[in-house]
Amino acid sequence: AQTVTQSQPEMSVQEAETVTLSCTYDTSESDYYLFWYKQPPSRQMILVIRQEAYKQQNATENRFSVNFQKAAKSFSLKISDSQLGDAAMYFCAYRSYRGSSNTGKLIFGQGTTLQVKP
Amino acid sequence: DVKVTQSSRYLVKRTGEKVFLECVQDMDHENMFWYRQDPGLGLRLIYFSYDVKMKEKGDIPEGYSVSREKKERFSLILESASTNQTSMYLCASRRQLGAQETQYFGPGTRLLVL
Repeated sequence: AQTVTQSQPEMSVQEAETVTLSCTYDTSESDYYLFWYKQPPSRQMILVIRQEAYKQQNATENRFSVNFQKAAKSFSLKISDSQLGDAAMYFCAYRSYRGSSNTGKLIFGQGTTLQVKP
Repeated sequence: DVKVTQSSRYLVKRTGEKVFLECVQDMDHENMFWYRQDPGLGLRLIYFSYDVKMKEKGDIPEGYSVSREKKERFSLILESASTNQTSMYLCASRRQLGAQETQYFGPGTRLLVL
C-alpha cells in the first residue's frame, strides 16, 4: 500500500522569503501523480500544483514549484516570495495511475501548517 | 468554476443519533468522495462513488454508509453517531476522464458528537 509522509507539522516563513515544505512517499508503482493541496483557514481546499511521475521536469505554478526526486521518493514544495495569503495547511497527496481513471483515489499526508509572518 | 457544496458547515449531534451529511456538485462529475480530516492524520477516505448508485469502501468505512441516487448528490450517513466520529468531513468530486483529473473539494462540515 502507498503511504505519504509529511514530517513537518508546522512551518513559518517571513513575508517575501522562500520556504520549502517536505513530503516523502512510498510506493512500488512506477506511474503515479503527486499533488500539493492548500487548505486556508475556514476555506475550501484547492489544488496548488501537480506532478506526473513520468515527467522529469519539475512542475511550476507562478511562485510555487516542486522538487521531485523519483528515486528518493521525495516531493517538496517551494513557495517563493511568500505572501500573507499563503498561510494555510498544505497537504501532499499521491494518486496511482493504474485504475485511477475510474476512481481517482488520493492518499494524503498528515499536513503542514504554514504560518507567514509580516 | 466547479462548485461543491456541503449542507452544513457545523453540526452538533448526540451519541446514537442518525446523521446525514449532504454534498452536491454542479459540474456533472462522475466521481464523488467522502473524507474525514483529523489533526495529525490528514485526510482519510471513507467512501467513494464512481457513478450513480455505485459505491466503494475507502480506508475507514466502519460506522458509515453512503447514498448516491442522483449524479450530483452524494450523502454520508452515520447510522448511530459516536463520539469518535467527531471530525471534519470533506466531500470532493472529479471528472472520470483520466488519471490527471483534479479533485474539487467542498468547504467541509465540522461535526461534534456529544
